[in-house]
Amino acid sequence: KAGVTQTPRYLIKTRGQQVTLSCSPISGHRSVSWYQQTPGQGLQFLFEYFSETQRNKGNFPGRFSGRQFSNSRSEMNVSTLELGDSALYLCASSFRTGYPWEQYFGPGTRLTVT
Amino acid sequence: ILNVEQSPQSLHVQEGDSTNFTCSFPSSNFYALHWYRWETAKSPEALFVMTLNGDEKKKGQISATLNTKEGYSYLYIKGSQPEDSATYLCAFHDTDKLIFGTGTRLQVFP
Repeated sequence: KAGVTQTPRYLIKTRGQQVTLSCSPISGHRSVSWYQQTPGQGLQFLFEYFSETQRNKGNFPGRFSGRQFSNSRSEMNVSTLELGDSALYLCASSFRTGYPWEQYFGPGTRLTVT
Repeated sequence: ILNVEQSPQSLHVQEGDSTNFTCSFPSSNFYALHWYRWETAKSPEALFVMTLNGDEKKKGQISATLNTKEGYSYLYIKGSQPEDSATYLCAFHDTDKLIFGTGTRLQVFP
């Protein structure tokens, strides 16, 4: 079974630009969550999508948005990039049945904003 | 705001040493606690999901215990090997999302 994939793996953008990151979950998984990790911080929850609907959102500004497609693939968009957005962005997928559900992580996208 | 704390922040041990780390989390409204192992340049890998007070789980030389009443979990590694070098994360399962600690970075020297 293929794991969670994220593209691109590395990205360099300039302040003020926007960026879109992609996450393909494990086949059959309907939930995709996004996390941000910056130096010295734990993984910070951004949002979760389940069956194309945002179920939950973390404490991030509106510049961070996402969506999920009917095949469960998800994209995350950050508009008007700031230097502080430089981070590793991880997505995780889960089947979300039973409780608690396990999350399976992708390798992440390393975003550098200059 | 829920807080999950892990200690120590980093640990350097010799091959063959046993070691343990702590994860502290809110003791009220407990659902579950997750442990992950995260090697550099790889994806975080799930180790354990713990749900019941007194739970003890084991995977090879790694084991974990859970005390939900006092809000802590211990992760033990018996006889550490260089390949155990990684960051170990715990995550408190808060209703419908995971709240992660900052991790314990373990370095095992041969």
